[in-house]
Amino acid sequence: GAVVSQHPSRVICKSGTSVKIECRSLDFQATTMFWYRQFPKQSLMLMATSNEGSKATYEQGVEKDKFLINHASLTLSTLTVTSAHPEDSSFYICSASSANYGYTFGSGTRLTVV
Amino acid sequence: GENVEQHPSTLSVQEGDSAVIKCTYSDSASNYFPWYKQELGKGPQLIIDIRSNVGEKKDQRIAVTLNKTAKHFSLHITETQPEDSAVYFCAASRLTGGGNKLTFGTGTQLKVEL
Repeated sequence: GAVVSQHPSRVICKSGTSVKIECRSLDFQATTMFWYRQFPKQSLMLMATSNEGSKATYEQGVEKDKFLINHASLTLSTLTVTSAHPEDSSFYICSASSANYGYTFGSGTRLTVV
Repeated sequence: GENVEQHPSTLSVQEGDSAVIKCTYSDSASNYFPWYKQELGKGPQLIIDIRSNVGEKKDQRIAVTLNKTAKHFSLHITETQPEDSAVYFCAASRLTGGGNKLTFGTGTQLKVEL
């Protein structure tokens, strides 16, 4: 089956620093990767969509300069939270999609900015 | 764009009883409807999905039904067990993977009581 690996699972960083989250599709090539943010007891909110080798498409209200997305290969996408602040603390989840496997989600990253 | 509504927001059942969660969607072009189970602190896991050319699909204790005319689909869990307790999300998409984003429902917190 399709497996997506997301790292780290938890990260604590100081306010003003940057944090990188990796998302890898382990056994399939993902044509598109999606990045979500989830607040406690809420649904997943799509932040951006990225296709390999192209610039990411951000949802309305998501700051592209703050949430940098790189999708350099068909198996790896990264989300970098730049100049993180406490309000960026959240649960971030990636999803990789392909025609054969639909949408497969990573295990999520709990970001805490102190 | 697509809008997915999900009910109920919380559902409590006795072990062994059935649980039903309902979703409606607005985009008649949506043709892929997955259901995800999310446990605390983890990413969503696909439990069953259905495409628009099928009215019903079953996998052991889990079934999904789709009514394209009414634009609604439901998740049925029979013989519920304590380990079924989690948050369940429905979602809708125009295509199976390939870059089309999923739109999620608001989630249902299912609690299976002993």
